[in-house]
Amino acid sequence: DSGVTQTPKHLITATGQRVTLRCSPRSGDLSVYWYQQSLDQGLQFLIQYYNGEERAKGNILERFSAQQFPDLHSELNLSSLELGDSALYFCASSPRSWGTSSDTQYFGPGTRLTVL
Amino acid sequence: AQTVTQSQPEMSVQEAETVTLSCTYDTSESDYYLFWYKQPPSRQMILVIRQEAYKQQNATENRFSVNFQKAAKSFSLKISDSQLGDAAMYFCAYRTLGYQLIWGAGTKLIIKP
Repeated sequence: DSGVTQTPKHLITATGQRVTLRCSPRSGDLSVYWYQQSLDQGLQFLIQYYNGEERAKGNILERFSAQQFPDLHSELNLSSLELGDSALYFCASSPRSWGTSSDTQYFGPGTRLTVL
Repeated sequence: AQTVTQSQPEMSVQEAETVTLSCTYDTSESDYYLFWYKQPPSRQMILVIRQEAYKQQNATENRFSVNFQKAAKSFSLKISDSQLGDAAMYFCAYRTLGYQLIWGAGTKLIIKP
């Protein structure tokens, strides 16, 4: 158990809908990262937050948005869903957002999103 | 931009034998981190081992060790005494100071009993 929690574990929805994925980082971690893993592929970085502020953006669609709240949990919002958005969405956390010996990212169990 | 390449889509090894998974990367940075993560059928992403680029000594974690060749931009993972529980997808990942992980496409490791 990495200490990172994600809810829900599974989500099935229809095209055009909007969903929210939730992530709680490990206790004490200030950075949260979101990744997307499509079927049998590697992970794609979406976005990073550090202590409530957006820190870096990757290949995140305009239909997707995220935020990190004062209690450090984060939410990833996916709207106008398309079939191609079906994927495993991972949240990871780390203590800080810059390089130290403790900057390893620890991953949650993921949320499997199926868009029908 | 940094890239990570895993040239072996699938590898198989006999139980108790040793196997090496390859990873190469491209970067112009001098300071960075490299990781190997394991993803078993449960799809959980599990950290296997980490290497800081400024350290010349290869990292080791029990049966797992790396061969880090900075000049060649190579970062291979050696698994000794392979066990059935080692069967998984293995991903190599690169991280610059401060930002996201850049991932290879993964290598599927099959353990033959």
